[in-house]
Amino acid sequence: GEEVAQTPKHLVRGEGQKAKLYCAPIKGHSYVFWYQQVLKNEFKFLISFQNENVFDETGMPKERFSAKCLPNSPCSLEIQATKLEDSAVYFCASSQSSTQGPNYGYTFGSGTRLTVV
Amino acid sequence: GESVGLHLPTLSVQEGDNSIINCAYSNSASDYFIWYKQESGKGPQFIIDIRSNMDKRQGQRVTVLLNKTVKHLSLQIAATQPGDSAVYFCAENIGNSGYSTLTFGKGTMLLVSP
Repeated sequence: GEEVAQTPKHLVRGEGQKAKLYCAPIKGHSYVFWYQQVLKNEFKFLISFQNENVFDETGMPKERFSAKCLPNSPCSLEIQATKLEDSAVYFCASSQSSTQGPNYGYTFGSGTRLTVV
Repeated sequence: GESVGLHLPTLSVQEGDNSIINCAYSNSASDYFIWYKQESGKGPQFIIDIRSNMDKRQGQRVTVLLNKTVKHLSLQIAATQPGDSAVYFCAENIGNSGYSTLTFGKGTMLLVSP
């Protein structure tokens, strides 16, 4: 489809529980990005994929966070043993790689709001 | 006028006014810039972009100005409408490509009064 689909829209987890977020990129887009937004402030880059391969993971916390993009499945971001500070909206974006068109098709989903209580 | 709130700078304007939202970027190597609009409960929505070989680019009711000397980007919205009320973010990347990570600036909340 022509939109980046993120599920669930809202997720509530008790501290210490696992959270798993999903993202279906736009068909034909080679790159997937995950960003974290706290309190409508800046977007913190977490990780990006080129198809199923990790492309850039410089923003990914070393512990508790992991992500995957497997063939024929939505991409996922998993947080083990959630902490209060993980409460945020997590956005996924996908993009084309080689086009010179506007914005390279860099399109964001509507986000998953994670609340850790 | 413009004020700094607890979390976000806020620009309040009357409907029909022109709005100017500013952004300072940090990386002199950045060569591609995008303005995004984020409405409540939604993801960032593309407004306009500009490459570093340009100083100005115009869209429908929006203009982006780039000053590389002082690393400054601005978004001008003509005849602002209540539907323009949102948080606006600038973003930059290096490599001028769809696979480069975007680095976002701090947002500015635009409030448009009827």
